[in-house]
Amino acid sequence: EAGVTQFPSHSVIEKGQTVTLRCDPISGHDNLYWYRRVMGKEIKFLLHFVKESKQDESGMPNNRFLAERTGGTYSTLKVQPAELEDSGVYFCASSVMDFGTEQYFGPGTRLTVT
Amino acid sequence: GENVEQHPSTLSVQEGDSAVIKCTYSDSASNYFPWYKQELGKRPQLIIDIRSNVGEKKDQRIAVTLNKTAKHFSLHITETQPEDSAVYFCAATSNAGGTSYGKLTFGQGTILTVHP
Repeated sequence: EAGVTQFPSHSVIEKGQTVTLRCDPISGHDNLYWYRRVMGKEIKFLLHFVKESKQDESGMPNNRFLAERTGGTYSTLKVQPAELEDSGVYFCASSVMDFGTEQYFGPGTRLTVT
Repeated sequence: GENVEQHPSTLSVQEGDSAVIKCTYSDSASNYFPWYKQELGKRPQLIIDIRSNVGEKKDQRIAVTLNKTAKHFSLHITETQPEDSAVYFCAATSNAGGTSYGKLTFGQGTILTVHP
């Protein structure tokens, strides 16, 4: 079974530019999550999709972040315009059920905003 | 909202020793506690989890204990090996109500180094 994949693995952009991160969950997983880890700190929740619907977006930092999940398959996370504090590793995870089951993480996208 | 504190931030042990990582949580409604291991350059992976109706769970050299009254849970690794070296994250979540069933709140992570 293919795992969660993310693209790109690394992205370096300048402040003010736009970046779009992509996540492909494990096939059949209705639940998709985005998390972010800023250097040396905890992994922080951003949002949770159930199929194509946003179940919980309480962790989204501000309106510069926009997440979509077209047709309940892959998801994109767009940052526009990027700021220096957006730098970090963005993880996507997917799971079969929304509670009490393993969330399978992708390898992450390392975003550096200069 | 939930807050999870994890200690220590770094832990260095000799091969064969035991390692213990502790986490405390703030929301008494939390009832599912997974532990993730992230090796260098790899993705976080679940290694063990525990639900609030259980006080202890063991899987070979790894065990997790939960004290609901004190709101803390711990990861115990016995007979450590160099391949146990990684960053370990504890997390907590609840299905007690609302819509945040899937949201994991993580601790800050513990860098475990096992010296041969």
